[in-house]
Amino acid sequence: DVVMTQTPVSLPVSLGGQASISCRSSQSLVHSNGNTYLHWYLQKPGQSPQLLIYRVSNRFSGVPDRFSGSGSGTDFTLKISRVEPEDLGDYYCLQSTHFRTFGGGTKLELK
Amino acid sequence: QVTLKESGPGILQPSQTLSLTCTFSGFSLSTYGMGVGWIRQPSGKGLEWLANIWWDDDKYYNPSLKNRLTISKDTSNNQAFLKITNVDTADTATYYCARIVNYGTPFDYWGQGVMVTVSS
Repeated sequence: DVVMTQTPVSLPVSLGGQASISCRSSQSLVHSNGNTYLHWYLQKPGQSPQLLIYRVSNRFSGVPDRFSGSGSGTDFTLKISRVEPEDLGDYYCLQSTHFRTFGGGTKLELK
Repeated sequence: QVTLKESGPGILQPSQTLSLTCTFSGFSLSTYGMGVGWIRQPSGKGLEWLANIWWDDDKYYNPSLKNRLTISKDTSNNQAFLKITNVDTADTATYYCARIVNYGTPFDYWGQGVMVTVSS
């Protein structure tokens, strides 16, 4: 089974600042077709998760360009620049190369 | 407009079978590439993928729960179902269904979730 490790578990930030979340997989997420199926979600309090980034670095419809994803193989990063109040919540990575596995989550909160 | 909504029993007793229904609109599970997945989240904890079902009736299960899960669909009524047998308190969670468009792609639209409590 693929294990997804997210760090940090908690990330205090200031409004207007930058945040960086790491997601590491226990094996390569490069599929045999050459694609890398690593995605990012934000879950705001009391809401369902919402898709932010798909296939490492592609922003989903309506997602502001303050959100960016990068990485390859087993190491991936989500960066949020100019943090706004609506960005606070729990962030999850998801791999869908080998079945599906979520990371444990990162809580983005105010400093 | 894509929408999904989960429904379930609310509360059930240990050892019973949990039956969940996902009713959706805005897409069809008879369309090539479409799929529906089930995900759960215990209160205050992270997300756990459970199972996917595809337009061609292909099915995938979380290996750690595979023996207890059965996913199915009713294409004509735009519904997907999940059964979990022999539940215990560890199955207490909010259960979500979500759409998938093509293998490997993420869950793009999610339902609001339904809370299920297992208690004697």
